[in-house]
Amino acid sequence: QVQLVESGGGVVQPGRSLRLSCAASGFTFSSFAMHWVRQAPGKGLEWVSLIAYDGINKFYADSVKGRFTISRDNSKSTLFLQLDSLRAEDTAVYYCARDGARYFDHWGQGTPVTVSS
Amino acid sequence: SYVLTQPPSVSVAPGQTARISCGGNNIGSKSVHWYQQRPGQAPVLVVYDDNDRPSGIPERFSGSHSGNTATLTISRVEAGDEADYYCQVWDSSSEYVFGTGTKVTVL
Repeated sequence: QVQLVESGGGVVQPGRSLRLSCAASGFTFSSFAMHWVRQAPGKGLEWVSLIAYDGINKFYADSVKGRFTISRDNSKSTLFLQLDSLRAEDTAVYYCARDGARYFDHWGQGTPVTVSS
Repeated sequence: SYVLTQPPSVSVAPGQTARISCGGNNIGSKSVHWYQQRPGQAPVLVVYDDNDRPSGIPERFSGSHSGNTATLTISRVEAGDEADYYCQVWDSSSEYVFGTGTKVTVL
């Protein structure tokens, strides 16, 4: 069965960096595009970023463009999100999700990120 | 940017039918997807491409859309259906857009 397990979240000061990981199993990781989606406390879902199956094409929400970087290692079935220049408004649970053709067909359990001084 | 509007809450008695609306400009021309998020859990896809269900999702969940409104219908509501529900579309200008979310309460 498809499994997505995020890690790397934590508490970080504004302006600092964090790197999130998502370990995938149960499917051919290198055949699927992958996403990051976040959810601020008590708020709705917000799409963050998409990376194509081969890692070449990458897309970002305007709110994170220039600060976040998505990447993947297909040899290790792992997705990453580098979060730089973090702001208080980046505080959220970050989910990785598998692409199902412009929707999200499987989700991880999420990893929380808190940006606070 | 493209906006999807949902009612904040819907209440329904067990065994009855819940209908959750999702309003967006000409949403009838887009593929609409729906997610269920139980408290403290990750979202789960319950309807994709307007009215298809992933394996394991009961037939009680169905979707429809036309004009400026999409609807998720939950028939024969059970206590376990109590959750937040989000609609989602892909828009060429806004990329992946989620609705504002609806909390379904089973009375």
